[in-house]
Amino acid sequence: AQSVTQLDSHVSVSEGTPVLLRCNYSSSYSPSLFWYVQHPNKGLQLLLKYTSAATLVKGINGFEAEFKKSETSFHLTKPSAHMSDAAEYFCVVSDPDSGGYQKVTFGIGRKLQVIP
Amino acid sequence: NAGVTQTPKFQVLKTGQSMTLQCAQDMNHEYMSWYRQDPGMGLRLIHYSVGAGITDQGEVPNGYNVSRSTTEDFPLRLLSAAPSQTSVYFCASSYRGVYSGANVLTFGAGSRLTVL
Repeated sequence: AQSVTQLDSHVSVSEGTPVLLRCNYSSSYSPSLFWYVQHPNKGLQLLLKYTSAATLVKGINGFEAEFKKSETSFHLTKPSAHMSDAAEYFCVVSDPDSGGYQKVTFGIGRKLQVIP
Repeated sequence: NAGVTQTPKFQVLKTGQSMTLQCAQDMNHEYMSWYRQDPGMGLRLIHYSVGAGITDQGEVPNGYNVSRSTTEDFPLRLLSAAPSQTSVYFCASSYRGVYSGANVLTFGAGSRLTVL
């Protein structure tokens, strides 16, 4: 069975400092991994995805994530936080299930607070 | 393109009432799904569909019904609302890539439901 663990109960950074949001997964296959962002009262938007190509994935708004199979991790980073980055971030794993379809599991999400 | 459209955005129900949350997409996506989002629990899959006429249960299907008569529409019905169904509901769709792992979910803006 697949699962996603998002560490850190709450992440607070100062504007202009680096962002690190951690994600560890378990999967029986070579999974696809995603990060989604949700701004207040909005739907979820794709930040970036890993699908077995380059292990360092670049996304929108300066975010990137590195797939590390040995550590079963897919941490999200950004060199310099902006006020507009304040949102909730979800790590997602996708596997083919026994029926051949994609089974998607969401992490519980982590809110990023950016302090001026 | 409108993407994924959900209606209504807000709804208040009394216990025992029934209602339907509407979801429509104009991207010709085969896969459509409904999630509920509750604090500290991430997104949990309620029901999903891999094509017109095909639906299946997700993680938390009890108390909900779905049907998929067209590719575009995937309504979620609450049969007899309960306070435990107070939540934010998201509809999402994607192309269905078997074993590709590359599907990206496109989300609607959400429907906030309160059951008194």
